[in-house]
Amino acid sequence: KAGVTQTPRYLIKTRGQQVTLSCSPISGHRSVSWYQQTPGQGLQFLFEYFSETQRNKGNFPGRFSGRQFSNSRSEMNVSTLELGDSALYLCASSATSGGNIQYFGAGTRLSVL
Amino acid sequence: GENVEQHPSTLSVQEGDSAVIKCTYSDSASNYFPWYKQELGKGPQLIIDIRSNVGEKKDQRIAVTLNKTAKHFSLHITETQPEDSAVYFCAASRGNAGNMLTFGGGTRLMVKP
Repeated sequence: KAGVTQTPRYLIKTRGQQVTLSCSPISGHRSVSWYQQTPGQGLQFLFEYFSETQRNKGNFPGRFSGRQFSNSRSEMNVSTLELGDSALYLCASSATSGGNIQYFGAGTRLSVL
Repeated sequence: GENVEQHPSTLSVQEGDSAVIKCTYSDSASNYFPWYKQELGKGPQLIIDIRSNVGEKKDQRIAVTLNKTAKHFSLHITETQPEDSAVYFCAASRGNAGNMLTFGGGTRLMVKP
């Protein structure tokens, strides 16, 4: 079975731009969660999508948004990028929602200049 | 919300020794506690998990213990090997909060040959 696939692996943007990251979960999995990883703040939950509906949202500004498609693939979008948005963005896939095992992708490394 | 603290932040051991990493959590409603290993350039990989109805779980050289009363859980690695060197994260989740994980700050484990 293929694992969680995140694209692109690396991204460089400038302040004020917007960016879209993509995540393809493990086949058959219906839940996709997104996390931000930085040296200062560690791993922080952004949001979870399950069956195309946002299930939970972390404490991030409205510039961070996401969506999930009918095939469970998910995208997250960050608008009006700030320098502090530079981070590793990780996607995690789970069969269902509710305290289940999550499998992480390799992440997308976003650098904001 | 949930808060997870992890200690120590760095741990250096000789090959063959044991390593112990400890975490405490604040939300008594948390009932799922996974441990992840993250190697350089990769996403977190689940190594073991435990649910609140179990006090201990073992998988070969790795074990996790949970004390619900004290709200702490620990990862034990025996007979450490150089390939165990990585950053380890503990996390906590409430089943009724979807798959949202709250992570500890991480422990960098270095196993010296």
